[in-house]
Amino acid sequence: GQQVMQIPQYQHVQEGEDFTTYCNSSTTLSNIQWYKQRPGGHPVFLIQLVKSGEVKKQKRLTFQFGEAKKNSSLHITATQTTDVGTYFCAGPAGSARQLTFGSGTQLTVLP
Amino acid sequence: SAVISQKPSRDICQRGTSLTIQCQVDSQVTMMFWYRQQPGQSLTLIATANQGSEATYESGFVIDKFPISRPNLTFSTLTVSNMSPEDSSIYLCSVGSRVAGELFFGEGSRLTVL
Repeated sequence: GQQVMQIPQYQHVQEGEDFTTYCNSSTTLSNIQWYKQRPGGHPVFLIQLVKSGEVKKQKRLTFQFGEAKKNSSLHITATQTTDVGTYFCAGPAGSARQLTFGSGTQLTVLP
Repeated sequence: SAVISQKPSRDICQRGTSLTIQCQVDSQVTMMFWYRQQPGQSLTLIATANQGSEATYESGFVIDKFPISRPNLTFSTLTVSNMSPEDSSIYLCSVGSRVAGELFFGEGSRLTVL
């Protein structure tokens, strides 16, 4: 079945440093989504990318969808303590609205 | 967006017992999804709850262990039956956006089985 892997699994950064997480799918994706889960919280949708090579920005966050639509990345510029959490990518699986979630990257930001 | 309420938010259960988790959505939705998140792990889809028909289970999950009800378009329950410590997880209810493909999640039910 479809597998979605993320690296790194964990990342510790000093506040102000940049952070990047990478997502790789075993199959071509029609779209890819990113979610953030704060410690003790539930996943919250961040963004969806649909087009090959698409780049979207949300303030300090930059999301990219690979040309082959099998990989994606999330880059955070100048991390803040509010960025702490686990970031998941997710791709469609099976019927409509079902998602396969990546393994996640847990970000710790040290003040 | 959708507002999703889950109960209980957390519980400590004894081995061999069963627990039913409730999920209430503030709008009518066709499909509701139940996910499991084991400690420190990603989300795994358990099943899709369809109103008016049997739930559709993913590989590795069976109805006898995780019976699901979907009596109407705003409510669903997931029962974790005959629990063992391996069932200690966060169980999350989710629904899809009406417009795009993103999911909205309830706050989760954190179960600890002793």
